[in-house]
Amino acid sequence: KAGVTQTPRYLIKTRGQQVTLSCSPISGHRSVSWYQQTPGQGLQFLFEYFSETQRNKGNFPGRFSGRQFSNSRSEMNVSTLELGDSALYLCASSLGGSTATDTQYFGPGTRLTVL
Amino acid sequence: AQSVTQLGSHVSVSEGALVLLRCNYSSSVPPYLFWYVQYPNQGLQLLLKYTSAATLVKGINGFEAEFKKSETSFHLTKPSAHMSDAAEYFCAVSDRSNQGGKLIFGQGTELSVKP
Repeated sequence: KAGVTQTPRYLIKTRGQQVTLSCSPISGHRSVSWYQQTPGQGLQFLFEYFSETQRNKGNFPGRFSGRQFSNSRSEMNVSTLELGDSALYLCASSLGGSTATDTQYFGPGTRLTVL
Repeated sequence: AQSVTQLGSHVSVSEGALVLLRCNYSSSVPPYLFWYVQYPNQGLQLLLKYTSAATLVKGINGFEAEFKKSETSFHLTKPSAHMSDAAEYFCAVSDRSNQGGKLIFGQGTELSVKP
């Protein structure tokens, strides 16, 4: 079974631009969560989508948004990029139950650099 | 709000020595607790999780953790370190009432293993 895939793996953008990252979950998984990883702030939860609906949301500004398609693939978008958005963005997929019952499987991440 | 604290951003042990990585949580109700490992340029992999069954949880690669409510701790141990254990380890919590996959991570502990 293929794991979680994220594209692209590396991305360089300039301030003010916008970016879209993609995540393809494991086949059969209906939940996709997104995390931002930086040296200073660590791993922070962005949002989770389940059956095309946002189910959980972290404390990030509205510049960060996401969506999920009917095939469970998910995209996240960051508009008006800032230098501080430089990070590794990880997505995780699970069957869709709670964290007690379902294991979250993480992708390798997309490394975003904002210049 | 729930939070988790990992004591020690960097731990160094000799090959064959005991590994002890510390994690304390802050929550009025015992949450679900997790340990993840991240190897360089990879996503996170679940080592083990506590969901209120046995307080001593055994995971993959010889790791185990013990939930201690009185100490609000969930420390990760391994009797004998291998070179391949060198990685970054993250403790995480999840609210029992949350229906989805939201995880709150600690800052991480980088484990080095000396030959």
